[in-house]
Amino acid sequence: AQSVTQLDSQVPVFEEAPVELRCNYSSSVSVYLFWYVQYPNQGLQLLLKYLSGSTLVKGINGFEAEFNKSQTSFHLRKPSVHISDTAEYFCAVSDRGALTFGSGTRLQVQP
Amino acid sequence: DADVTQTPRNRITKTGKRIMLECSQTKGHDRMYWYRQDPGLGLQLIYYSFDVKDINKGEISDGYSVSRQAQAKFSLSLESAIPNQTALYFCATSGTGGTGELFFGEGSRLTVL
Repeated sequence: AQSVTQLDSQVPVFEEAPVELRCNYSSSVSVYLFWYVQYPNQGLQLLLKYLSGSTLVKGINGFEAEFNKSQTSFHLRKPSVHISDTAEYFCAVSDRGALTFGSGTRLQVQP
Repeated sequence: DADVTQTPRNRITKTGKRIMLECSQTKGHDRMYWYRQDPGLGLQLIYYSFDVKDINKGEISDGYSVSRQAQAKFSLSLESAIPNQTALYFCATSGTGGTGELFFGEGSRLTVL
């Protein structure tokens, strides 16, 4: 069975500051990893994904994530956040079946 | 038009009523899913279907049933709704490539009084 842990339920940050949202996973097999973003009152959209290859993955809106197999982590980073990045972020893992999601991290960007 | 369409978008009902949430997709994907979102719990898988003749229970299937009427249609039913089924429900699809990447509908907000 696979599981995902998002260590922070809320992350407040000031505009233009860097941010890291943490994600750890557990799985007995090779996995695919994803970050999704949910803006207020909207559905989820894909931010980025790791399938194979380079462990540093770049996504939309300036976000990137690094796959670390030894630490079973897939942390999401952005060097400078904007007010418009305020949203909930979900990490997810797949072993080629259905996705398993973490509990989410609410990013609150303050002016 | 959205690739994954959910109806209704909002529904208020009473305890004991039967409710059906419908999902249709134009992405041509074989795989379809129903997830439930509750604050602080993320998304939990209710049911999923890898093709028209394949239905699988997810982690929280009790109290729910599904029907895969066609490749493009996957409906979720609550036979007798209860207040703790108040939540935001998402339908999603994925291709048969096997990566698991999901494409979501905009959600159906259900309130059970």
